[in-house]
Amino acid sequence: EAGVAQSPRYKIIEKRQSVAFWCNPISGHATLYWYQQILGQGPKLLIQFQNNGVVDDSQLPKDRFSAERLKGVDSTLKIQPAKLEDSAVYLCASSPPLRSYNEQFFGPGTRLTVL
Amino acid sequence: AQTVTQSQPEMSVQEAETVTLSCTYDTSESDYYLFWYKQPPSRQMILVIRQEAYKQQNATENRFSVNFQKAAKSFSLKISDSQLGDAAMYFCAYRSTGLVTFGTGTRLQVTL
Repeated sequence: EAGVAQSPRYKIIEKRQSVAFWCNPISGHATLYWYQQILGQGPKLLIQFQNNGVVDDSQLPKDRFSAERLKGVDSTLKIQPAKLEDSAVYLCASSPPLRSYNEQFFGPGTRLTVL
Repeated sequence: AQTVTQSQPEMSVQEAETVTLSCTYDTSESDYYLFWYKQPPSRQMILVIRQEAYKQQNATENRFSVNFQKAAKSFSLKISDSQLGDAAMYFCAYRSTGLVTFGTGTRLQVTL
């Protein structure tokens, strides 16, 4: 079974630029999550999708961050414009149907550096 | 809001020995899930073990076991017969009907 795929793996941009991350969850997984993990901290949930609908985005800085999950499969997370404090690893995770509360499978993450 | 506290930023254990990682949480919910995740240097997060709050029996997965004390809101992870491959960051996480909340992690070193 293929795991959660993310791209790019690394990205370096200057502040005020825009950036987008892509996630392809495990086939058949209805729930998709985006996390931000700042160095030395635990992951912080940014947004959770159930199919193509948003379940929770209460911790997403909506003035600069946006996310979508078209057709309930792939997802993109965008930052526009980026700030220095956005430097972090962005993790995508997915959960199988009926088990979204007790199992998440994580991708390798995208390491973003904002200069 | 739920909080998860891991009070040990770093721990060290000798190979083949046993180590316990601590985790406490704060919640007003009665039904929830608790998890321990392992994040090796490659950064792919892997589920180690999970515990449903309604189950009194502590979860066990091979060399990994938990000590779940619901009244004390404590959820520690015990790793027996530690191996070099156990070296990683370990995160405790809480999940209820709302957000998933992670602790700040404990870095585990395994020495020969």
